[in-house]
Amino acid sequence: DTAVSQTPKYLVTQMGNDKSIKCEQNLGHDTMYWYKQDSKKFLKIMFSYNNKELIINETVPNRFSPKSPDKAHLNLHINSLELGDSAVYFCASSSYLEPNTEAFFGQGTRLTVV
Amino acid sequence: SQQGEEDPQALSIQEGENATMNCSYKTSINNLQWYRQNSGRGLVHLILIRSNEREKHSGRLRVTLDTSKKSSSLLITASRAADTASYFCATDASGGSYIPTFGRGTSLIVHP
Repeated sequence: DTAVSQTPKYLVTQMGNDKSIKCEQNLGHDTMYWYKQDSKKFLKIMFSYNNKELIINETVPNRFSPKSPDKAHLNLHINSLELGDSAVYFCASSSYLEPNTEAFFGQGTRLTVV
Repeated sequence: SQQGEEDPQALSIQEGENATMNCSYKTSINNLQWYRQNSGRGLVHLILIRSNEREKHSGRLRVTLDTSKKSSSLLITASRAADTASYFCATDASGGSYIPTFGRGTSLIVHP
């Protein structure tokens, strides 16, 4: 079983559209994250979420919003897509109660805005 | 939040050689982790070193941590072509919420 799974793996869409990327983890973790990796491989944290708090990187436009229907899911919604949103988006999870442990990553979603 | 900065950005070596990558960070940490990313894939955890540790080994991997210099190094001994990947360090900020924060990574190419 895949520990952290994201769908879709590839997403091509036009500017101005609204899209969502889904993420699910079956590790029983209580903290999930979204990262954006640009063409230069820089991996930037976008959101960190557990059942207590949502931490938002202040540089992330408010067109991006995380939605967590339950502890195992953290979906990423993006409104009014722009060309600069093209990147690979990674979901990850870890245990808040065990901060000295690893984060598990999904395989990424390559978003291309045309 | 702070981020780790890996150095060099790119490294090209021959199979059998050792590869050394460095990571620098800015503020106090609880731990530092190294991850590997194969092309087109997600990150995979390699090793974690706590702030009170100076050196840690795992197979062909050796990680050192110097908190006085705010730096860490990852050594891969006897490299193999399969080690070709990008390597990232991740830091947290002690005293705050734990959020793995990454840099740009080191792109390692091991030529067979």
